[in-house]
Amino acid sequence: GENVEQHPSTLSVQEGDSAVIKCTYSDSASNYFPWYKQELGKGPQLIIDIRSNVGEKKDQRIAVTLNKTAKHFSLHITETQPEDSAVYFCAASSGNTPLVFGKGTRLSVIA
Amino acid sequence: NAGVTQTPKFRILKIGQSMTLQCTQDMNHNYMYWYRQDPGMGLKLIYYSVGAGITDKGEVPNGYNVSRSTTEDFPLRLELAAPSQTSVYFCASSDLRVRSGYTFGSGTRLTVV
Repeated sequence: GENVEQHPSTLSVQEGDSAVIKCTYSDSASNYFPWYKQELGKGPQLIIDIRSNVGEKKDQRIAVTLNKTAKHFSLHITETQPEDSAVYFCAASSGNTPLVFGKGTRLSVIA
Repeated sequence: NAGVTQTPKFRILKIGQSMTLQCTQDMNHNYMYWYRQDPGMGLKLIYYSVGAGITDKGEVPNGYNVSRSTTEDFPLRLELAAPSQTSVYFCASSDLRVRSGYTFGSGTRLTVV
């Protein structure tokens, strides 16, 4: 089955700097790669996703890149703000199989 | 719309007790899921359902049972609770296809003592 590795487990950045979180996956059939943000005491929320026919997708300060050959994808957050502090999860799925999640990255943005 | 509603938010169980975690969604989503979240371990799939009357095991189904009698409800049953089931449980739903994105509930924090 699919296995998703996520790095780093914790990340601290100064406000205004960029943050990058990386994930690798094992199943070459995976074709959907969402990212979720989880704030304290809440359920994860979808922030951006990418499909296998696209190499990059951007939404304001957030971007995701996908390298299918290397089986890795990354989340980029630019101009970080304190409200970006949260736990971020990557996930992968092939067809209609349930999402397999990475272990999460705790991002702290220091003002 | 309320989205995905989970009850209770917190619960303490004694070893060997049983309970049902409730999950209901009002978005007419076909797919529903139960995940557990342990510190530093991400989200692990317990069970999922692709529609009323259909359920399937995920990665960690032992000690749990589910049923899906309606599109809206997907309760998770714990029989003979064990300390290893101490976790935060999340219910989620998605449209007909997984790739439409999941909507998560706010979670149930369960402690087994």
